[in-house]
Parts: sequence; structure tokens; C-alpha cells
Amino acid sequence: SYVLTQPPSVSVDPGRTATITCGANNIKIKSVHWYHQRSGQAPVMVIYYDTTRPSGIPERFSASKSDNVATLTISRVEAGDEGDYYCQVWEADGDRFWMFGGGTKLTVL
Amino acid sequence: EVQLVESGGGLVQPGGSLRLSCLASGFTFDVYDMHWVRQAPGKGLEWVSGVGGRSGRTFYAPSVKGRFTISRDTVTNTLFLQVVSLRAEDSAVYYCARGAGSGSYPLEYWGRGTLVTVSS
Repeated sequence: SYVLTQPPSVSVDPGRTATITCGANNIKIKSVHWYHQRSGQAPVMVIYYDTTRPSGIPERFSASKSDNVATLTISRVEAGDEGDYYCQVWEADGDRFWMFGGGTKLTVL
Repeated sequence: EVQLVESGGGLVQPGGSLRLSCLASGFTFDVYDMHWVRQAPGKGLEWVSGVGGRSGRTFYAPSVKGRFTISRDTVTNTLFLQVVSLRAEDSAVYYCARGAGSGSYPLEYWGRGTLVTVSS
């Protein structure tokens, strides 16, 4: 089955740039979505269809994709960016699945 | 404004059953896919089940297929998840989420979740 691999944790100083990766076989042919979940809250979509920001999401959030890795980049990191980030794809493998990566905990130092 | 409000969670014994509900408002309910996503304590997100907006077709993760049943009431704009034969590993916060359309769309809006605890 298709597996999305994320690093368990990323730490960054305020004002610096955070990079969170999502690795999977041939992810370049998938549409990748990203969600942010603050502690005790519901997830919020921050990027959809690889690079598009929903309204209300700051321009500091951007994303890209290569052959086997999708990347979420957060510029000028703020304390409010802390939390867990999940990548997600849709995989039609016999049945339809909305699959999530294991999540990356972003800590703002 | 899109709102999703879950209810129906609680403490249930192993082997027991529950019916989770999600009351939706602020959009045309039968146009959008609706989903259930769960999160075990301290763990990541796991997609559980979905129902197609226009088709009404249902989808399940292998881990719950045969035990969980998703349904919807388009009159009351309510999404349901009937869960039976519950196991300890089903303990989680269950989120209701709306797709961004009908098809392989991302999960655009989420409710606050309802907690299910399976324990004797």
C-alpha cells in the first residue's frame, strides 16, 4: 500500500524557515494537501493541490514537490505555527483512500 | 459559515456499539463529500470513512470495513457513523470533515471532534 513518510519532529527558531517533508514513491503524480493541527484543536488545511493556499492562510506558507518528496515550507516562523503538520493524498488502490502521513511536530524554540 | 458539530461519543465497553452524528450547516449538504477521520490519543490522523456527495457511494478504511457504517440524512443535514464490535484500538477523537467537492478532494472543513473511549 502507498505510504507517506514524514519526519517525526522539526525544530526552528522564531523568524527562521521551517521545512517539513513528505516522502512517497512517485508522489509527483499525486495531489498533495497539508494540514496544521494545534494542540487540542481540529486540523486546518493550509495547502491544497500541491501549492495552493486557502484564503486566510498567510503567504509565509508555501509548498513544492519533486519526484518522491513533497515539501511544506514555512517562512518567518511564528509561535502560532507550532503544532503537528500532516500531508495527505488520495490513493485509488482497489478502493479509495484519503491517506495521511504520520505527522511532523513543529517546535518553535 | 460552514459548521460541523459532532456528537455521540462516550465510554463504551469492548464489543459495544455507538452511533456518532455530525450536524452540518452553512452549505448544500448533498453536494460535498463527507468524511470521518479519527485520531487515537497521542497519534496521527487516520481516515476512517467517506460518503460521496453526489453519488452517495461509501468508502471505508480496511481497518474498519465490516464494522463501521457511514450514512447521511440529507433532510436534517446529518452525517452518521455507526460503529459496532468496538475494540480498544478504536478509542480516538472522531472528526467529521467536509471535502472541498465531490470526488478526490482534500478535507476543507473539520468539526471539533467527539471522543470515543473503549474500555471495560
